[in-house]
Amino acid sequence: KQEVTQIPAALSVPEGENLVLNCSFTDSAIYNLQWFRQDPGKGLTSLLLIQSSQREQTSGRLNASLDKSSGRSTLYIAASQPGDSATYLCAVLDGGSQGNLIFGKGTKLSVKP
Amino acid sequence: EPEVTQTPSHQVTQMGQEVILRCVPISNHLYFYWYRQILGQKVEFLVSFYNNEISEKSEIFDDQFSVERPDGSNFTLKIRSTKLEDSAMYFCASRERDRGYGYTFGSGTRLTVV
Repeated sequence: KQEVTQIPAALSVPEGENLVLNCSFTDSAIYNLQWFRQDPGKGLTSLLLIQSSQREQTSGRLNASLDKSSGRSTLYIAASQPGDSATYLCAVLDGGSQGNLIFGKGTKLSVKP
Repeated sequence: EPEVTQTPSHQVTQMGQEVILRCVPISNHLYFYWYRQILGQKVEFLVSFYNNEISEKSEIFDDQFSVERPDGSNFTLKIRSTKLEDSAMYFCASRERDRGYGYTFGSGTRLTVV
């Protein structure tokens, strides 16, 4: 059964720092991996989608990498800002599934001014 | 940018009552989903819906749950007889086409069962 783990559970950094969020999954037979942002009490905003055949995706200050064979993905945030404060969720779509995204518990990021 | 719209944003109901959570997926999307997140826990898959039928469901999605697409735009989740443990944030999501496309989630309905 696929399990997704995110480390650290919480992270507090001063504004301007570059940071890395980690996601690991137990079964490498994934179809793709998606990173989301969740603000308190709000919905999920898609940040980046990486297909299983890809190594990385970039959007603005965000860069996500995928190493399927080792079951890992990282989300790199450059020059962090207070507005980046949120919970970041990683989710994988199993190769055999049509719709069952499996989520990690998230990393709660706080960027201090 | 197109959005998935969910109503209501918050619903309080008494245990044993029926509730219907409503969603309007993005108009050209073909796949529809319900997920839920109990406070402090992971987001969990409930059900997927394609071509007017359920394509996959989790163990959570038992006989008290049902989904419907009553017209060309709405997608609903019905909980027949709510329990305290059904209290959670319920998210609707849609996907344009096959698995190579990403998911778009709505802002959620917070369901509180008292």
